[in-house]
Amino acid sequence: EGRLQQSGGGFVEPGGSLRLSCAASGFNFTNAWMNWVRQAPGKGLEWVARFKSKADGGAIDYAAPVKGRFTISRDDSRSTLYLQLSSLQTEDTAVYFCTTLSVFWGQGALVIVSS
Amino acid sequence: SYEVTQSPSVSVSPGQMARITCSGDELPRRFSYWYQQKSGQAPVLVIYEDKKRPSWIPERFSGSISGTVATLTISGAQMDDEADYYCYSTDSDDNVVFGGGTKLTVL
Repeated sequence: EGRLQQSGGGFVEPGGSLRLSCAASGFNFTNAWMNWVRQAPGKGLEWVARFKSKADGGAIDYAAPVKGRFTISRDDSRSTLYLQLSSLQTEDTAVYFCTTLSVFWGQGALVIVSS
Repeated sequence: SYEVTQSPSVSVSPGQMARITCSGDELPRRFSYWYQQKSGQAPVLVIYEDKKRPSWIPERFSGSISGTVATLTISGAQMDDEADYYCYSTDSDDNVVFGGGTKLTVL
């Protein structure tokens, strides 16, 4: 059975950086379009970034609020997705989920940006 | 930027039909998807490509599309269906756009 296991997250001061990881198992990660979605406390879901499969061109797209500050990457040899968060702002405080946007979602990683 | 809009809340009694709507100008041309999210948990896909239901989702969940409005219907809502429901679709650049979510209360 497929799953996504997340690691990373934590507390960081404004302007700081953090890296999230998401290890996939039990499904064909190489052919999957992988996404990061976040949810601020008490708020709705917000799409953050997507990395299409290499077979489908490998395009990367970002939501406007994070473009230029966050970097999505993937290592298909390790079946792992990453999100590098930089120049963090208090508004980036949220639970971050990795997901295929179909069946598979990670358990979420809490990122708190505060001074 | 493109938006999809949901009503903030829906309330039904157990056994009644619950309808949750999602509106967006691109919905006639782009698929809609629906998630159920219970407190503290990751979302669960309940409907994909407007009206397809994953095999593990109860038959009381169904999806439909009419013009610019997608609808998630729960026939005979149960207490266990109480949750937040989110629709999503894509814009002309194929980027994902979530609705604001609808809180379903069953009481």
